[in-house]
Amino acid sequence: EVQLLESGGGFVQPGGSLRLSCAASGFTFSTYAMSWVRQAPGQGLEWVSAISGDGAVTYHADSVKGRFTISRDNSRNTLYLQMNSLRGEDTAVYYCAKQVGGTHVYWGQGTLVTVSS
Amino acid sequence: QSALTQPRSVSGSPGQSVTISCTGTSSDVGGYNYVSWYQQYPGKVPKLMIYDVSKRPSGVPDRFSGSKSGNTASLTISGLQAEDEADYYCCSYAGTSYVFGTGTQVTVL
Repeated sequence: EVQLLESGGGFVQPGGSLRLSCAASGFTFSTYAMSWVRQAPGQGLEWVSAISGDGAVTYHADSVKGRFTISRDNSRNTLYLQMNSLRGEDTAVYYCAKQVGGTHVYWGQGTLVTVSS
Repeated sequence: QSALTQPRSVSGSPGQSVTISCTGTSSDVGGYNYVSWYQQYPGKVPKLMIYDVSKRPSGVPDRFSGSKSGNTASLTISGLQAEDEADYYCCSYAGTSYVFGTGTQVTVL
């Protein structure tokens, strides 16, 4: 059974940093691309970042480019999102998702990030 | 990376059919056959309902169907049921990114 468990969310002041983690199990982690998707309170879904199975290729949304970095440790079956220079508009539930082809097939339960002074 | 355009809400009576549109551009919806649809109940995790424009994952009722014409994808729910009341989001691959739709609230009257 595929399981994705996010952690690392919390309360941070504007300009601060957080690193999110997503522990994966139930599948061969290194074989699949992964993504981070976020959802601000009461708002829709927004794709944030994606990374290839071997970690060699990464993509980021324009809204986070230069501030967020996606990475992975295939030896630990873990996906990361390093978030720097956080802003109020980054407040959201952050989901990690396993990709199959061009689809976000499995989603974790999400971790809440709140950016506020 | 502008969000795909969906109607804010659609509604129908039990047993009726509703269709949700998802309009993008030739750089996303029109350029790839990687359109997916997600159902989300309040406070819950999104669930995949349709992938690759028109394919249904195992366990999704065949009342849900997807299609695409040009830069617009569509999700149709036939034989609407009370449990279909939820938010629905489309998503398209766009080459070096993904873009989600603005979301549609489906109400069962």
